[in-house]
Amino acid sequence: AQSVTQLGSHVSVSEGALVLLRCNYSSSVPPYLFWYVQYPNQGLQLLLKYTTGATLVKGINGFEAEFKKSETSFHLTKPSAHMSDAAEYFCAVSPNQAGTALIFGKGTTLSVSS
Amino acid sequence: GAVVSQHPSWVICKSGTSVKIECRSLDFQATTMFWYRQFPKQSLMLMATSNEGSKATYEQGVEKDKFLINHASLTLSTLTVTSAHPEDSSFYICSARAPTDSGNTIYFGEGSWLTVV
Repeated sequence: AQSVTQLGSHVSVSEGALVLLRCNYSSSVPPYLFWYVQYPNQGLQLLLKYTTGATLVKGINGFEAEFKKSETSFHLTKPSAHMSDAAEYFCAVSPNQAGTALIFGKGTTLSVSS
Repeated sequence: GAVVSQHPSWVICKSGTSVKIECRSLDFQATTMFWYRQFPKQSLMLMATSNEGSKATYEQGVEKDKFLINHASLTLSTLTVTSAHPEDSSFYICSARAPTDSGNTIYFGEGSWLTVV
């Protein structure tokens, strides 16, 4: 069975500061890993994904994440936070096969202060 | 990216009635769609996997007779909440995998708020 743990349900940063959202996964098979963002009352938007190949993945809005197999982690980072980054962020995992559902972490609320 | 659309975005229904939520893939054909439920400030819980032309596969604890899922075409899946009760009030989100994507990327609809009064 697969699972995702997001450390920290709420992260607060100042505008311009580094954003670090943590995600650890558990999987018995090589996983696909994803980060999604959700703004209030909206669906989910894909930020980035890791399937195979390069372990440092760049996504939209300046976000990136690094797959570290030895640490079973897929932390999301952004060098400089913007006010518009305030949202709910979900890490998700799925088996590396097509057509399977994603399993989500509990989410991390990112707050950005001026 | 691929577009998935849900309708309605908001719906209020009376207790005991049924309500249908539609999920459409607008620019691709989706053989598999997924339905999730999300309570306020919580994560997404997978309800069922919907396969075109066959019965949906429900997750443990989800009442298949209450949450009817139909995937009649490659671009449309519907979720019908039957005999709705206030505890069914929630945010329902559908998703679909774009078949040209080799990495199992799943695109999400905008979600549908259901309030049962």
